[in-house]
Amino acid sequence: EAQVTQNPRYLITVTGKKLTVTCSQNMNHEYMSWYRQDPGLGLRQIYYSMNVEVTDKGDVPEGYKVSRKEKRNFPLILESPSPNQTSLYFCASSLGGQQETQYFGPGTRLLVL
Amino acid sequence: AQKVTQAQTEISVVEKEDVTLDCVYETRDTTYYLFWYKQPPSGELVFLIRRNSFDEQNEISGRYSWNFQKSTSSFNFTITASQVVDSAVYFCALSESTGNQFYFGTGTSLTVIP
Repeated sequence: EAQVTQNPRYLITVTGKKLTVTCSQNMNHEYMSWYRQDPGLGLRQIYYSMNVEVTDKGDVPEGYKVSRKEKRNFPLILESPSPNQTSLYFCASSLGGQQETQYFGPGTRLLVL
Repeated sequence: AQKVTQAQTEISVVEKEDVTLDCVYETRDTTYYLFWYKQPPSGELVFLIRRNSFDEQNEISGRYSWNFQKSTSSFNFTITASQVVDSAVYFCALSESTGNQFYFGTGTSLTVIP
């Protein structure tokens, strides 16, 4: 089944404790992206990747890192999480770029205490 | 400036009523793409439609229809004869040919009352 998977689905952590949210797609998609969803703000793009080893900042990259060492994986790293990073995070992928339809993972709900 | 504006934060309708969700976008590109996604209470994001800037034909898919008007930079979504299962948050989104980003609106929460 074609899908985008994220792990973990739920995470409670404390300020400053490094964490990684994994994202994997099995559709051989070139473009992958991370978003955060907050009430009243919709979804905002954190980082995106056009291909392996090619990543770039979205609208809200502060406090996040990403890497794209393999085509299928695009982990989101929070080196020192803070409470303002409490949010719902979505990973997405598309075949050729941002102009193509993006398919989303199930979301990761993160609470930073 | 917001690239995609969904001015309606929340809408409530009674079942079987028609409802239109508004989306206004802003871009200087001549080539761009518009999308609608649905987020039901279960939380996943479901793709509904993709439209490129050169195709202004209205689209109909069952009870769903979309009205794309470049003159007013709008891409509105209408649900005909709404059903309780239509209750969800609906997001309009834009991608441009320049740059590689993707922009969502803030979403419209639709509640269909039985």
